[in-house]
Amino acid sequence: NAGVTQTPKFQVLKTGQSMTLQCAQDMNHEYMSWYRQDPGMGLRLIHYSVGAGITDQGEVPNGYNVSRSTTEDFPLRLLSAAPSQTSVYFCASSKPGLAYEQYFGPGTRLTVT
Amino acid sequence: AQRVTQPEKLLSVFKGAPVELKCNYSYSGSPELFWYVQYSRQRLQLLLRHISRESIKGFTADLNKGETSFHLKKPFAQEEDSAMYYCALKGGGSNYKLTFGKGTLLTVNP
Repeated sequence: NAGVTQTPKFQVLKTGQSMTLQCAQDMNHEYMSWYRQDPGMGLRLIHYSVGAGITDQGEVPNGYNVSRSTTEDFPLRLLSAAPSQTSVYFCASSKPGLAYEQYFGPGTRLTVT
Repeated sequence: AQRVTQPEKLLSVFKGAPVELKCNYSYSGSPELFWYVQYSRQRLQLLLRHISRESIKGFTADLNKGETSFHLKKPFAQEEDSAMYYCALKGGGSNYKLTFGKGTLLTVNP
């Protein structure tokens, strides 16, 4: 098992550019989520999904879109990057009924200039 | 609304000293509380949860509903305990969301 994988590891964008952060898991977990980690702010939930075809907003969803067409994949899209989106992004997954035990990916460090 | 507060951004202790990382929460129902840890260059991972009342790597945490706290304790800190620690809360029922505190960076000095 690869667990939760994220690509890319690092990315630099210019303001206004768009990109997709990829997240995949091979553990057949139904629950997946995206967080951003900022110094002094901890982890904040962006979007989450309880299964294929079902997504919902977290604490800081503005500027981000998600979709869940398969159980394995949960991409995060930045439609028009802003410097405020400079952060480290983590994807996580968990089994249904065990949402507290989230398995995290290695993270994507994004810089928007 | 659910909220988790970790009042200390940084905590520094010497090896062998006791350590306590504070966590307070706000939630109207019956919460589930957890501690996650992120060692340098490693992924964030679950350390322990209050329901299991277990000791992991010498750490324990007791849920105090009266004081709405879930402090993480270890009697004798080790250098390998140096890491970022996050307290997290899960609401009851089918609420899948975890709310994390802002984290405490623990440094254990030799």
